[in-house]
Amino acid sequence: EAQVTQNPRYLITVTGKKLTVTCSQNMNHEYMSWYRQDPGLGLRQIYYSMNVEVTDKGDVPEGYKVSRKEKRNFPLILESPSPNQTSLYFCASSKQGLRDYGYTFGSGTRLTVV
Amino acid sequence: GDSVTQMEGPVTLSEEAFLTINCTYTATGYPSLFWYVQYPGEGLQLLLKATKADDKGSNKGFEATYRKETTSFHLEKGSVQVSDSAVYFCALNEGGGNKLTFGTGTQLKVEL
Repeated sequence: EAQVTQNPRYLITVTGKKLTVTCSQNMNHEYMSWYRQDPGLGLRQIYYSMNVEVTDKGDVPEGYKVSRKEKRNFPLILESPSPNQTSLYFCASSKQGLRDYGYTFGSGTRLTVV
Repeated sequence: GDSVTQMEGPVTLSEEAFLTINCTYTATGYPSLFWYVQYPGEGLQLLLKATKADDKGSNKGFEATYRKETTSFHLEKGSVQVSDSAVYFCALNEGGGNKLTFGTGTQLKVEL
C-alpha cells in the first residue's frame, strides 16, 4: 500500500530533551515536507526537501532540523524542544509537480512538550 | 504572499442537507487549488483538486469549481451524511513550488 509512515503517533517529552520523529514513504517521491498543525492557524510548512541532500526552510523552521540522506526517509529533529513546539506534526510526500498531485500526508504525530 | 481564507466553523447540518464551505484565495499567478479532508484522529486526505480556471474537481459527491474572476474554490455537496463529519482544508500551490498554502480549516458536523 502506498503510504507515508510517521513514528511515533504520540509523544510526550520534557523541555530540552532531544527527539526525532521519523518519516518514511514507499512511493519513490522526490518531494517531502514537514508541516505543523495548530488550532486557528491551519497547517504551516516547517521544512521541505526536493531530493536527496536537498533541504530548505519553510515558513516556521526555528527550532527544527531535518535531513534527507535517503530518498524514502525525512526525519524531523528537535534538538531542544520547548513547550511552544507542542503541536500536531505531519510528514508529506509528492511526485515532482506538486501543482498536479498535491501532497500525500502521513497520519500525524501529536507532540506534547512539558 | 499567497493566502487562503476559509469560512469559520463549526458548520452544523442535518443529514441530507446541502453543504457549501467557502474558500477564497490570494495568489500572484495561476495556482492549483485543493480540498483536503481530515477525519478525527487521522491525517489529511486529498478530496479533490483543480489546476486551472473553470476546472471542476469532484470526488465522493463533493464538487468545487475554480473561479478565477472571484478567486474562489467553494466546496459543495448536495446531500451530506453523518460520515462526512470532518475538518475540511482548502489549499493552493503556486507555480509548482514545494509548498501547499492552507486555510485554517472548517469543521463540519452532520447530525441525524
